[in-house]
Amino acid sequence: GAGVSQTPSNKVTEKGKYVELRCDPISGHTALYWYRQSLGQGPEFLIYFQGTGAADDSGLPNDRFFAVRPEGSVSTLKIQRTERGDSAVYLCASSSTGGVIGELFFGEGSRLTVL
Amino acid sequence: AQTVTQSQPEMSVQEAETVTLSCTYDTSESDYYLFWYKQPPSRQMILVIRQEAYKQQNATENRFSVNFQKAAKSFSLKISDSQLGDAAMYFCAYRSVRGSGNTGKLIFGQGTTLQVKP
Repeated sequence: GAGVSQTPSNKVTEKGKYVELRCDPISGHTALYWYRQSLGQGPEFLIYFQGTGAADDSGLPNDRFFAVRPEGSVSTLKIQRTERGDSAVYLCASSSTGGVIGELFFGEGSRLTVL
Repeated sequence: AQTVTQSQPEMSVQEAETVTLSCTYDTSESDYYLFWYKQPPSRQMILVIRQEAYKQQNATENRFSVNFQKAAKSFSLKISDSQLGDAAMYFCAYRSVRGSGNTGKLIFGQGTTLQVKP
């Protein structure tokens, strides 16, 4: 596609439920990033993929959060046993190189609300 | 660890006038990149301008320019001839260039909400 696509745009769930958020990066982009943005705050890094592998998952807050990118394109962020504190906008970005020179292109995010 | 601080939660400017958004950062690295991103209500982060730390010349993109003070670790954004479409949240961000396994991840500040008055 022309840009980074994220679905769903908005997701409301109940505490304790399982949630999946999808990111479809720009075609050909090998690097993919997930960020979490709480209300009124800047985005915080969660995880970085180079191809199919998670090259850096140091930002994942705990083991309830997991992300995959099995074919090196689409990625899914998975959150188990959701908590109210997980409510945030989850942003995905992709880049052509993953290095310093590659500009990050962001999607419009998925807003997750946990009741 | 690197940190980025934006001390102005909100700023306001009259249409056609100039406004400056402040950003400071902390790092022990000598080579890095700094960015300003714009986030409108659509939530999509849009790159406004980029500065490479090894370049002394301040970056400029049309109405947007930066004042990069490396010794002071300051990186402000100046918006000239402000337009209604400039209203958004603006984020300052830092990106390392060194280290094996450098991921290119961005470290963001807390953001500044810019209001443009007609």
